[in-house]
Amino acid sequence: DTAVSQTPKYLVTQMGNDKSIKCEQNLGHDTMYWYKQDSKKFLKIMFSYNNKELIINETVPNRFSPKSPDKAHLNLHINSLELGDSAVYFCASSQAPQVTEAFFGQGTRLTVV
Amino acid sequence: GDSVTQMEGPVTLSEEAFLTINCTYTATGYPSLFWYVQYPGEGLQLLLKATKADDKGSNKGFEATYRKETTSFHLEKGSVQVSDSAVYFCALSSQNTGNQFYFGTGTSLTVIP
Repeated sequence: DTAVSQTPKYLVTQMGNDKSIKCEQNLGHDTMYWYKQDSKKFLKIMFSYNNKELIINETVPNRFSPKSPDKAHLNLHINSLELGDSAVYFCASSQAPQVTEAFFGQGTRLTVV
Repeated sequence: GDSVTQMEGPVTLSEEAFLTINCTYTATGYPSLFWYVQYPGEGLQLLLKATKADDKGSNKGFEATYRKETTSFHLEKGSVQVSDSAVYFCALSSQNTGNQFYFGTGTSLTVIP
């Protein structure tokens, strides 16, 4: 069983489109995250979310929004896609409040053309 | 705010060479420290961790010691293999960061036979 799974693995889309990336974890964790990895491999936290609190990185454009239908899922919606949104997006989860390791999905490579 | 500074890469070593990748951190309070590894085309995997000062994390021949006095968590391996070629990330997390994980810039390691 994959602990953190995200779909799709690859996503190619045109500028201006709206797209979603899905993430599911079967670890029973309370906290889920979205990270963006750019072409230089730099990882930036976008959001962290548990069933009580959403923490948003203030540098993330409001075109990006997390949606959590339940504790095991945290989907990422992106509106009006731009060329600069091209990156690999990683979902992760961990168990709060104890600070254990984060488990990562395999990533979604988003290419905006 | 809390942050991690990691040795710049890329690093190229011959098989069986000694590896050190430096990592220092800035944090209020007492974070947990991690090393993650990313193999080509894959997500991040936890390599090792340490949750308090003087703890040593170890896995697959890699080691790192949590040094509070020097705010460091350097990664070492005595004899690298070709299969160790990957990108290595130092990271920290704590309740002060809202349990978010902050990553260094990553260090690319290539081991040649």
